Amino acid sequence: AQKITQTQPGMFVQEKEAVTLDCTYDTSDQSYGLFWYKQPSSGEMIFLIYQGSYDEQNATEGRYSLNFQKARKSANLVISASQLGDSAMYFCAMREGGTPAAGNKLTFGGGTRVLVKP
Amino acid sequence: NAGVTQTPKFQVLKTGQSMTLQCAQDMNHEYMSWYRQDPGMGLRLIHYSVGAGITDQGEVPNGYNVSRSTTEDFPLRLLSAAPSQTSVYFCASARSENEKLFFGSGTQLSVL
Repeated sequence: AQKITQTQPGMFVQEKEAVTLDCTYDTSDQSYGLFWYKQPSSGEMIFLIYQGSYDEQNATEGRYSLNFQKARKSANLVISASQLGDSAMYFCAMREGGTPAAGNKLTFGGGTRVLVKP
Repeated sequence: NAGVTQTPKFQVLKTGQSMTLQCAQDMNHEYMSWYRQDPGMGLRLIHYSVGAGITDQGEVPNGYNVSRSTTEDFPLRLLSAAPSQTSVYFCASARSENEKLFFGSGTQLSVL
């Protein structure tokens, strides 16, 4: 089974509207972390937001928020008030295990391409 | 602020050639890792390190070697390049296992 599943290969969103990007994950670990990264056409990987499995509050970073539903194993990214510069690939990723020896290894989903229309 | 520096940015190899992709970070991060990204896909972990002298394999380690003699550097060696290794390679570092990865700008490698 895929560890990280992003079911939306691509989507359009109107400028200034909100968009939700889906991410479901599969793990048997109790301690894990979920990340979202943005990859614009220039290719760099830009960190957006992080949610730890023990965090009780949903993470927020500016216009980005993470809708974390632990029982459903989903970690959807919400981008509010979309801007043209939000057009990019978005990747959901998971780090399993919470010990230093486990390292900071991420498993990535296949990504969702977002195109913001003016 | 340099962050994570990868060299070269582009490289073309012939099948069977060897080369080393360089990665250096100036943030004193213990954790470093190498990923590859094939067209239209997410990143896959090749090798990682939790500190100087400690390395381990990721999801797709075959055909690659790493070493970590210093905290700053984490080179990736392709032993005998194959067309299947054509990809974009990213080096990343992190301060701890629970913190975000800082990525380098990537190396686009083509193997003919």
